[in-house]
Parts: sequence; C-alpha cells; structure tokens
Amino acid sequence: EPEVTQTPSHQVTQMGQEVILRCVPISNHLYFYWYRQILGQKVEFLVSFYNNEISEKSEIFDDQFSVERPDGSNFTLKIRSTKLEDSAMYFCASSEAWQGARGNTIYFGEGSWLTVV
Amino acid sequence: GQNIDQPTEMTATEGAIVQINCTYQTSGFNGLFWYQQHAGEAPTFLSYNVLDGLEEKGRFSSFLSRSKGYSYLLLKELQMKDSASYLCAVRDGSNYQLIWGAGTKLIIKP
Repeated sequence: EPEVTQTPSHQVTQMGQEVILRCVPISNHLYFYWYRQILGQKVEFLVSFYNNEISEKSEIFDDQFSVERPDGSNFTLKIRSTKLEDSAMYFCASSEAWQGARGNTIYFGEGSWLTVV
Repeated sequence: GQNIDQPTEMTATEGAIVQINCTYQTSGFNGLFWYQQHAGEAPTFLSYNVLDGLEEKGRFSSFLSRSKGYSYLLLKELQMKDSASYLCAVRDGSNYQLIWGAGTKLIIKP
C-alpha cells in the first residue's frame, strides 16, 4: 500500500539552529500538509500546499517556517531558527483531493520527532 | 469559536462494545473524520462522514448528526490492539482546514 515517508524519524537540534524535515508524499496525491503534535497535546494544522504554492496556513506557521517542493517527489518543512517550543512530532500528510470528495482521506507519514535543546 | 469535545479517557473490556462521542462547534462543516493513533505513531484513517447517518466498516462504525453537531465512533468486539487514542477531526467548511479534537484514550482490559 502506498505510504507517506518522512525523514529523519528523530532529530535533536540546538536552539537557534535551522532544521529541514523531509517528506515524500504518495505519488498520485496533489495536496500536501504539515501538522505537528506537541507531546500529549492535540494535532495542529500548520500548512497545506497545492500546485506549488501554499493554499492555507495556520497562525502557528509564522515567518520562521517555510515549505518547499524542490522536485517532483519531495516536500520539505524548514524551521529557520528553532525554539524550545518547536519540540514536537511533525507529521507530513497528503491527499488526492481537497474539497468535498467523499473519502478524500488525508494519509499521514510516521512523523519526525524534533527535540530542540 | 471552533471547538471539538471528546472524553479524555475511556476504559472497556476485551470483547465488549464501546462508543466514543464527539461534539463540535465550527464555523462551517465539510465532513468529519475519525483517526486512530497509537502512542508515538501517526494517526491512521478510520472513517469519514459527511451526511447524517451511520457508516459501518467491519468492527468500526461512525455516526453523524449535523443538526446536533455530534458524532460517535462505535467499536465492537474489542481487541487489545484497539488500545489507542481516537481522534475526531472536522473539516471546516469555510477554509477546509481540519480541526482536531484532543483525542480519547481508550484502554482495553482483559
């Protein structure tokens, strides 16, 4: 079964450093997302990406965050200057369609656990 | 404001049936999802409801009442592997973002 893959599975970084989290969405999917989940808390939407541009972003997704689709398969999340509160599990996800279609499920990757020290 | 409410934790017995409720208040509505999440793992899709009524899929069923802003996930013939958090998420009709509940931790006892 096709799946979303993410690397690294776990990264420890020092405060202020830049981090890039990588994702390979399911190949025929057109919509890509980043979510995060702070330990013990709810899943939070960060950003959605379609047709090589951001379609929506949340308040969390400030100027420190950026996303890119550098080639036909990868989708990356960059945090420019990490803060302690950025420590969380970051999930990449993808879906075939966005609006209304029945069963347009969002499929999640296994997550990248980011620890900022 | 946007709000999704689920019980924090529930306990059930192996082989039994459990119902996990979810109520929501969102500015719009364009579908409700249930996901299962084992500790430290990604959420995995269980069900999707956009019309009122019951959707059955094997041991799992999900119900939606849009007028009441209410859904439930019904799990039958519980197995130990069903111990996980169950996340209710609503697609907001105004901007189509997924709004997530905090999840219900389900503990299955032998």
